[in-house]
Amino acid sequence: DTEVTQTPKHLVMGMTNKKSLKCEQHMGHRAMYWYKQKAKKPPELMFVYSYEKLSINESVPSRFSPECPNSSLLNLHLHALQPEDSALYLCASSPGQGPESTQYFGPGTRLTVL
Amino acid sequence: KNEVEQSPQNLTAQEGEFITINCSYSVGISALHWLQQHPGGGIVSLFMLSSGKKKHGRLIATINIQEKHSSLHITASHPRDSAVYICAVRPGVLGATNKLIFGTGTLLAVQP
Repeated sequence: DTEVTQTPKHLVMGMTNKKSLKCEQHMGHRAMYWYKQKAKKPPELMFVYSYEKLSINESVPSRFSPECPNSSLLNLHLHALQPEDSALYLCASSPGQGPESTQYFGPGTRLTVL
Repeated sequence: KNEVEQSPQNLTAQEGEFITINCSYSVGISALHWLQQHPGGGIVSLFMLSSGKKKHGRLIATINIQEKHSSLHITASHPRDSAVYICAVRPGVLGATNKLIFGTGTLLAVQP
């Protein structure tokens, strides 16, 4: 299994809703990432988990809450989002955090906040 | 000025043409990635380079560390190559974290 899976593929939510995005990999990778990508822009790093511990938080608003329950799973909990948070949310994983570690990206979750 | 610049921003080619996309960066790096993203889709990692040249099928990637420049070449281009190609660098030295700086991407359209 050499892929990163993300669910759901699409999500529409209101500003008062609470929802979660899920990312899974079974490659034994120890680093996992959340990125946000707006249309026609490059991805922006949000969070990095290394060995199930949060190692990088790129000053992301608290309405986004990451969670890494185990080494294969990464969640992003969403609460009280704004319409400007609508974007493609990409998950990635890598064997480690060293310079020779390629990041493998998932297909993304297309989020629309109404 | 972005730390990672790509050129051209947009490229239209005829099927079969040889294509080159360029990436220049201004920071010291430990690795450079070339990524492919189809419209509305996820990202596929094509290459990771720290020196020299790599080839995979019709794709070739080169890097010149001294000149802080990398190129992605596509030989015998095909409409299915139409996508955004993104250059991303990992700044720093060995042992640095795996944080990538992304270029703004090159939108390639290959016409039949």
